[in-house]
Amino acid sequence: ELKVEQNPLFLSMQEGKNYTIYCNYSTTSDRLYWYRQDPGKSLESLFVLLSNGAVKQEGRLMASLDTKARLSTLHITAAVHDLSATYFCAGGLRGGGSQGNLIFGKGTKLSVKP
Amino acid sequence: NAGVTQTPKFRILKIGQSMTLQCTQDMNHNYMYWYRQDPGMGLKLIYYSVGAGITDKGEVPNGYNVSRSTTEDFPLRLELAAPSQTSVYFCASSPLEGKQYFGPGTRLTVT
Repeated sequence: ELKVEQNPLFLSMQEGKNYTIYCNYSTTSDRLYWYRQDPGKSLESLFVLLSNGAVKQEGRLMASLDTKARLSTLHITAAVHDLSATYFCAGGLRGGGSQGNLIFGKGTKLSVKP
Repeated sequence: NAGVTQTPKFRILKIGQSMTLQCTQDMNHNYMYWYRQDPGMGLKLIYYSVGAGITDKGEVPNGYNVSRSTTEDFPLRLELAAPSQTSVYFCASSPLEGKQYFGPGTRLTVT
């Protein structure tokens, strides 16, 4: 059974600082997703990581995947207030009908303060 | 393109009532999903579909049913609503191995 754990669950940052959110998963997963959710809103897909060593970047966010360590990271560079949101990672089970059976972490609530 | 649309946006049901949550996408995606999100939690997959006529259970399918007669539509049926089904429901679609696109959600309360 795949379990996905994120840490930290809460993160308060100052603008301009760097930080990393970690996503550990318990068993073999062949894909890893990152999402953003603003309060009371729907989810926005950020990154899809499909292979060991995959790295994707968009703006101040960079995601990477290490399948051997069963770890994905979401790195935030020079945080700005607009990045305040809850970030979720989700892992996919092998053989789960491709993109079926995604298991979500509990989310990391990020607050960026001036 | 409208993307993924869901109706209704809000609904209050009495225990034992039934309802259908509608989901439509206009991006010609093969994959569609239904999730529920309880307060302060991540999403849990209820059902998903990899194409018209094909559906499969996710992590929490009990109390729900789905059908996929067309590529565009993926309705979720709640039978005999229970308070435990109070949640926000999100529909999503995606191409193969691509990013998921989410609808705005339906906030359901069962009292």
